[in-house]
Amino acid sequence: RKEVEQDPGPFNVPEGATVAFNCTYSNSASQSFFWYRQDCRKEPKLLMSVYSSGNEDGRFTAQLNRASQYISLLIRDSKLSDSATYLCVVAPGGYNKLIFGAGTRLAVHP
Amino acid sequence: ETGVTQTPRHLVMGMTNKKSLKCEQHLGHNAMYWYKQSAKKPLELMFVYSLEERVENNSVPSRFSPECPNSSHLFLHLHTLQPEDSALYLCASSPGDGNEQFFGPGTRLTVL
Repeated sequence: RKEVEQDPGPFNVPEGATVAFNCTYSNSASQSFFWYRQDCRKEPKLLMSVYSSGNEDGRFTAQLNRASQYISLLIRDSKLSDSATYLCVVAPGGYNKLIFGAGTRLAVHP
Repeated sequence: ETGVTQTPRHLVMGMTNKKSLKCEQHLGHNAMYWYKQSAKKPLELMFVYSLEERVENNSVPSRFSPECPNSSHLFLHLHTLQPEDSALYLCASSPGDGNEQFFGPGTRLTVL
């Protein structure tokens, strides 16, 4: 089983749509969780951290379910500029290590 | 601008060449990382340095040799690479354990 698993997509959605990405992780002792965004041929950039209580940043909402070892990202009112690959990232703890999922590709069309 | 720079941005080399990738972070972070990203694969962690000490080496072939002379600089020395080593090599830094990492723009390496 992969340490971090994501649906690779692509998700093709129209502008204004709501889209949800899911991610599962295998290490129950994982301590920190993040969503990163990676544009084509660019480096990954932090989108948001994910907290146990859930957190929201504008149109983006992240949820964590530790019991199910499941993380989600919800994007509301999709924009063309949201087109990118979204990476689910888990920190298992120790030695500053992050484990990256393979990413879910999102394509928002007019 | 993330505060992490990498040079060169693009590199083409033959299998017998020796080259080095350079990374510099201006964020005052304690940890630095090398990752490899091949097409359609997740980021692969290669090396981790914490306070200039190598704390992880993920079974990387010896043709890749990291060097961390101080907490702001990280090098990846390359020699006798193979065509399958062609990839995007990303450097990152972080303040410490469990914190988010900040990436440089990467070096796109092609081995002929």
